[in-house]
Amino acid sequence: QKEVEQDPGPLSVPEGAIVSLNCTYSNSAFQYFMWYRQYSRKGPELLMYTYSSGNKEDGRFTAQVDKSSKYISLFIRDSQPSDSATYLCAMIPYNTDKLIFGTGTRLQVFP
Amino acid sequence: KAGVTQTPRYLIKTRGQQVTLSCSPISGHRSVSWYQQTPGQGLQFLFEYFSETQRNKGNFPGRFSGRQFSNSRSEMNVSTLELGDSALYLCASRKTDYTDTQYFGPGTRLTVL
Repeated sequence: QKEVEQDPGPLSVPEGAIVSLNCTYSNSAFQYFMWYRQYSRKGPELLMYTYSSGNKEDGRFTAQVDKSSKYISLFIRDSQPSDSATYLCAMIPYNTDKLIFGTGTRLQVFP
Repeated sequence: KAGVTQTPRYLIKTRGQQVTLSCSPISGHRSVSWYQQTPGQGLQFLFEYFSETQRNKGNFPGRFSGRQFSNSRSEMNVSTLELGDSALYLCASRKTDYTDTQYFGPGTRLTVL
């Protein structure tokens, strides 16, 4: 079993929809949680970074962490075709600098 | 400010050969990490260098090695290439540690025939 599980998709939604992307993890030592976006032929870029349970909002993006359930989510409001990309969750265990990634969810937003 | 650069962008090798990939971090960043990305396994951490020393290591065989120079530039070497080494190799840099944002380069696409 992988430490971080993420549905690979693809997830296809119409423009304007609310998108929910999720990851589950098994290691309770994970303390820091991130979401990256990766466009085709590019490296991942950081979208959101959080270390506590609860919600963190940045524009159309909301990151949610539930440490008791070992579950994190990324919500995208008013999705746009430019949001079409692969979204990767990533986590850092306590006392290390190692970044552990999920396999990524491919999102397609159609006009 | 220039981003993380990786060379070459594409590489084709045959089984048994060795390969060296290069990464130039963002100016002022002292930490460089390497990742392997494949469709089946996703992004997997190879190793991290900080101030010319390997600080963290993933679960890859000894055929995968790296080094960092005094100017923070890093190289990754894979010896005795196998078909399964075909992947996108990503380099990422950050100032010091996990509290800093990690910036990724565009990657080197390695194909082993």
